[in-house]
Amino acid sequence: EAEVAQSPRYKITEKSQAVAFWCDPISGHATLYWYRQILGQGPELLVQFQDESVVDDSQLPKDRFSAERLKGVDSTLKIQPAELGDSAMYLCASSLSPYGETQYFGPGTRLLVL
Amino acid sequence: GQQVMQIPQYQHVQEGEDFTTYCNSSTTLSNIQWYKQRPGGHPVFLIQLVKSGEVKKQKRLTFQFGEAKKNSSLHITATQTTDVGTYFCAGNTGNQFYFGTGTSLTVIP
Repeated sequence: EAEVAQSPRYKITEKSQAVAFWCDPISGHATLYWYRQILGQGPELLVQFQDESVVDDSQLPKDRFSAERLKGVDSTLKIQPAELGDSAMYLCASSLSPYGETQYFGPGTRLLVL
Repeated sequence: GQQVMQIPQYQHVQEGEDFTTYCNSSTTLSNIQWYKQRPGGHPVFLIQLVKSGEVKKQKRLTFQFGEAKKNSSLHITATQTTDVGTYFCAGNTGNQFYFGTGTSLTVIP
């Protein structure tokens, strides 16, 4: 069964450093999502791509976060500089199309900022 | 801020007891999805409801979408230890997608 791949699974960094997360969606899925999930809370959408275009990044802290999906397939989420409050699980999900389609989640990257 | 709230936040039940989580949105939802997240895992899609008043069943799980499409519920009959996890509702309001706050279920054997 096809799965969403993410790497790394775990990342420990010091504050003010740069970190990057990678996501490879299920083949053929045009829509890709990046979520941040703080322990004990629901996932919060950071950015949504349709192919290579950003369709929603209203919750993305753009002063330090950036995301790209240059060829409309895999995607990278970057944080620079990392802050203590960025410690969370970063989840990637993909779906065939936006708005109402089932989202398939990857295993996530757990980030700890020291 | 969070627009989709769930209650209760936590629920502990004895194995065999029933469980219900309620999802409430401040705005009308075009659809509602339910996900289950096991401890240490990632959300896994359970079901989607689209129509006002829709009810769907999956074995011991019953999902309902409210008439006004602002609320939903998930009911589990005769819980089992395999039901442990956090249950999230999620839905589209306009062109934005929100996850609920989640209900964490513990099943005591």
